[in-house]
Amino acid sequence: QVQLQQWGAGLLKPSETLSLTCAVYGGSFSGYYWSWIRQPPGKGLEWIGEINHSGSTNYNPSLKSRVTISVDTSKNQFSLKLSSVTAADTAVYYCARERIVVVPAAIGKVPVSWFDPWGQGTLVTVSS
Amino acid sequence: SSELTQDPAVSVALGQTVRITCQGDSLRSYYASWYQQKPGQAPVLVIYGKNNRPSGIPDRFSGSSSGNTASLTITGAQAEDEADYYCNSRDSSGNHPRVFGGGTKLTVL
Repeated sequence: QVQLQQWGAGLLKPSETLSLTCAVYGGSFSGYYWSWIRQPPGKGLEWIGEINHSGSTNYNPSLKSRVTISVDTSKNQFSLKLSSVTAADTAVYYCARERIVVVPAAIGKVPVSWFDPWGQGTLVTVSS
Repeated sequence: SSELTQDPAVSVALGQTVRITCQGDSLRSYYASWYQQKPGQAPVLVIYGKNNRPSGIPDRFSGSSSGNTASLTITGAQAEDEADYYCNSRDSSGNHPRVFGGGTKLTVL
């Protein structure tokens, strides 16, 4: 049973850099993508970005200029850095494993992806 | 398009069937996945792909898709199904970033 355990600073001042780490226990680190997702208080989910075990990344275009996701395969961990934070970045941040498989479609093949499991979430508050 | 649209709120009588929908252009090309989130908890995957349930998810949950609309159906809703439900899929543009719908709050009456 794969489990994700995340941690990081919960209170930041505007312009500081958010830093979170997620450790993967009980399963393979390779063969998956590893994502960060956030949820502002009372609002919906927003995908931040992802990385695979070889370091290939994909970011949300709206956050790309401020986001860096990195991986440490020796520790089965991946990390999120979000620079120049503002109050709008206040949210619960989740890490999650993304599984991607390719299945037959009406024409050719199509990738199917899903997030499972998720970390427990970390509330990050940005306030002066 | 990079948007997935969900109804903000839906209600269902206990034991009845409810359908939660998710609309977006990218759903013409990609399957949606669905997540259940209860207050104070992390989201939980309930449906992925054409209509697949993870281990431990009751078979009253099912998924379907037609055109630009993906649907999550709960057949015989239970009180414990009251939660927020989010759809997710890939965007059709660029590097196919992942996109979430705005969420649907399901109330079981």
